[in-house]
Amino acid sequence: GAVVSQHPSWVICKSGTSVKIECRSLDFQATTMFWYRQFPKQSLMLMATSNEGSKATYEQGVEKDKFLINHASLTLSTLTVTSAHPEDSSFYICSARTGDNQPQHFGDGTRLSIL
Amino acid sequence: AQSVTQPDIHITVSEGASLELRCNYSYGATPYLFWYVQSPGQGLQLLLKYFSGDTLVQGIKGFEAEFKRSQSSFNLRKPSVHWSDAAEYFCAVGTLSGGYNKLIFGAGTRLAVHP
Repeated sequence: GAVVSQHPSWVICKSGTSVKIECRSLDFQATTMFWYRQFPKQSLMLMATSNEGSKATYEQGVEKDKFLINHASLTLSTLTVTSAHPEDSSFYICSARTGDNQPQHFGDGTRLSIL
Repeated sequence: AQSVTQPDIHITVSEGASLELRCNYSYGATPYLFWYVQSPGQGLQLLLKYFSGDTLVQGIKGFEAEFKRSQSSFNLRKPSVHWSDAAEYFCAVGTLSGGYNKLIFGAGTRLAVHP
């Protein structure tokens, strides 16, 4: 149980394009989903927290207009990297949980490479 | 401020040897503590969690962790390591910040297993 699916797993695109990453909870309803960024050989950095039906809460230093988050249903959240540039290349991981202080269950991540 | 410290960046053990990964946290209230494991290019898998009760917590894959409030520690142990345990291990504390819950991760410990 508690499976989180993230798609795509790997994407390469040209600088200036927008990229959408999907995060789905397959066998549970996720009231809250999280988006993280991970640089090589480093820990996870929380970018934003999204609750179903409301605006995402972004961490300090994360550009909300750059990283658009939508959590339209209890099983789907999307992260759109707008006008992506090479410095946005990274490993993006989502997680989902059923309620406060419940464990977060992670997707397998998306490796984004911007040329 | 809340924080998680994993003092060991890299650990190498021989297959069959015992393992202990250290984790110290700083948090003003009763912490919710987690250990996650990450294989290369993948998301995170929950190994075990501590919310309350018995301070010795059993997890998956033969791992256990002990919560010691007096030492602010939550060390991960395994009596006999298998080659498949080679991965990155993250300790995390669940915090309440800005009115919502989120995880703060340690920097991670990379485990290598020698045959």
